[in-house]
Amino acid sequence: GDSVTQTEGPVTVSESESLIINCTYSATSIAYPNLFWYVRYPGEGLQLLLKVITAGQKGSSRGFEATYNKETTSFHLQKASVQESDSAVYYCALGGTNAYKVIFGKGTHLHVLP
Amino acid sequence: EAAVTQSPRNKVAVTGGKVTLSCNQTNNHNNMYWYRQDTGHGLRLIHYSYGAGSTEKGDIPDGYKASRPSQENFSLILELATPSQTSVYFCASGDAGLAEQFFGPGTRLTVL
Repeated sequence: GDSVTQTEGPVTVSESESLIINCTYSATSIAYPNLFWYVRYPGEGLQLLLKVITAGQKGSSRGFEATYNKETTSFHLQKASVQESDSAVYYCALGGTNAYKVIFGKGTHLHVLP
Repeated sequence: EAAVTQSPRNKVAVTGGKVTLSCNQTNNHNNMYWYRQDTGHGLRLIHYSYGAGSTEKGDIPDGYKASRPSQENFSLILELATPSQTSVYFCASGDAGLAEQFFGPGTRLTVL
């Protein structure tokens, strides 16, 4: 079936350190998968951080980036230097154009220490 | 200006009571969704709707009903609330061709 697996949290890093949150997916019923990273800051709803709809392409936003790798079915989220304000829950997600449904990973809680 | 709003933001209910969670969107999207988020689980789809008057079952619909009286509004109804329905509930809107969804801030429901 269709599924998303991501790094189990919580993940704790110090400010200015690098970050990687792993995400792998299985898209057996979606012909052309779209991949997303959503972020949920405390007290807020999920908001789209970045999306990539074409295999081999990289998406970036707010210093975060992720590359859609069809060969390894991965979409890892990376940032070279995190800030305390990046503390949040990050969700990897899988969808298809015109698909009614987006499949979410369990979320990774990131704590950035000052 | 928030495009997807939810009310209430927090709710405490008693077992066996009726609970209604409301969602309003100003995105003019056709599709709306209700999810719940629990520790150790990703967002799980409860019900969704393709437009006014339509409701469809998601992955975990048991114990929940939904109502879509208009393009803007989508409600989730717990006729007989149980403690297992204690969770954070998110509403979202979206459209065919977009794939991405736009979320409200969530409702924290506690059933005692």
